[in-house]
Amino acid sequence: DTAVSQTPKYLVTQMGNDKSIKCEQNLGHDTMYWYKQDSKKFLKIMFSYNNKELIINETVPNRFSPKSPDKAHLNLHINSLELGDSAVYFCASSPPDRGRDEQYFGPGTRLTVT
Amino acid sequence: AQSVTQLDSHVSVSEGTPVLLRCNYSSSYSPSLFWYVQHPNKGLQLLLKYTSAATLVKGINGFEAEFKKSETSFHLTKPSAHMSDAAEYFCVVSDPLTGGFKTIFGAGTRLFVKA
Repeated sequence: DTAVSQTPKYLVTQMGNDKSIKCEQNLGHDTMYWYKQDSKKFLKIMFSYNNKELIINETVPNRFSPKSPDKAHLNLHINSLELGDSAVYFCASSPPDRGRDEQYFGPGTRLTVT
Repeated sequence: AQSVTQLDSHVSVSEGTPVLLRCNYSSSYSPSLFWYVQHPNKGLQLLLKYTSAATLVKGINGFEAEFKKSETSFHLTKPSAHMSDAAEYFCVVSDPLTGGFKTIFGAGTRLFVKA
């Protein structure tokens, strides 16, 4: 009965590789997000999607490309990985009826680029 | 522009004593404010939310926060700390101009609870 799930939980890869992180929510929400949490625990929003459409792109490099095949999924593809991409990436979703800013977070994906 | 400042990076309390985690915000509009908790190696969980209905907001696990417009503060409190409260706490402001699609997180306050 997981509400917001992410796969994989851990991802270790080398610089220059391309990788994807998947996110799924079974809450019936229509808005989904990606956040990046750095080593100092600072959380920054990357993208917001509503009904599969991009709403917010917080000056994220073009190497990051989110894709939302349907309202329940928001995947994150990262090209040409760099050392600075190492972080924990969180997916979140929110319902329209209680305010889009009330968010439900996934468990996170720890990405390590070597 | 919206911003949020958490005044303490670390707070340490003894079990059974009160908890105070401080947060100041900056907003040109009536903000929506939140507190989230993150336990080690876990995702974030919403503790409570302020949306102008009442200045004193009660959340889960005995936490509450008071919105003070004159002080632009939204401090989180709990009367008696429990060991399980040890976690990272984030104060969050929502940018109303984005319809709630963009939220801004504070830097976080790590709460330590001593036995």
